[in-house]
Amino acid sequence: GENVEQHPSTLSVQEGDSAVIKCTYSDSASNYFPWYKQELGKGPQLIIDIRSNVGEKKDQRIAVTLNKTAKHFSLHITETQPEDSAVYFCAASNSGGGADGLTFGKGTHLIIQP
Amino acid sequence: DAGITQSPRHKVTETGTPVTLRCHQTENHRYMYWYRQDPGHGLRLIHYSYGVKDTDKGEVSDGYSVSRSKTEDFLLTLESATSSQTSVYFCAISEGDYGYTFGSGTRLTVV
Repeated sequence: GENVEQHPSTLSVQEGDSAVIKCTYSDSASNYFPWYKQELGKGPQLIIDIRSNVGEKKDQRIAVTLNKTAKHFSLHITETQPEDSAVYFCAASNSGGGADGLTFGKGTHLIIQP
Repeated sequence: DAGITQSPRHKVTETGTPVTLRCHQTENHRYMYWYRQDPGHGLRLIHYSYGVKDTDKGEVSDGYSVSRSKTEDFLLTLESATSSQTSVYFCAISEGDYGYTFGSGTRLTVV
């Protein structure tokens, strides 16, 4: 089955700086790569996703890049703000997340230092 | 978490007792999932459903069963709870169009 590795497990950055979280996946058939943000006491929330037919996607301060050859994808957050502090999860699926569900990385605790 | 609710939000139970967690959706989505979240393990799939009475096992299904008799409800049952099942349980829904919506979670403690 699919295996997703996520690094780092904890990331501390100064407010206003950029943050990058990286994930690798094992199943070359995977075609859908979402990122989730989880705040304390809440369920994960989808913040951005990318499909295997594109290499990059942006949404305001957030961007995701995908390298299918190397089987890795990354989340980039620019101009970080205190409200960006949370746990971030990457995930992968070869069925669009429908039939077999998503396989998640173990999460990155992002800390924004004031 | 509009459209998906989990109950109860918190539960403490004794080892060996049966426990049922409920997930209810108002979105009429086809797919429903149960995940557990543990420190150091992230989110792991327990069971999922792709329609009424259609379910399948996930990565960590041992000790769990599920039922889906209606589109809107997906039940997770621990037949005989063990301490290793202490966790936070999340339900998620999807229409299969690449987006998941998660519930707020149920914190289960088995003592």
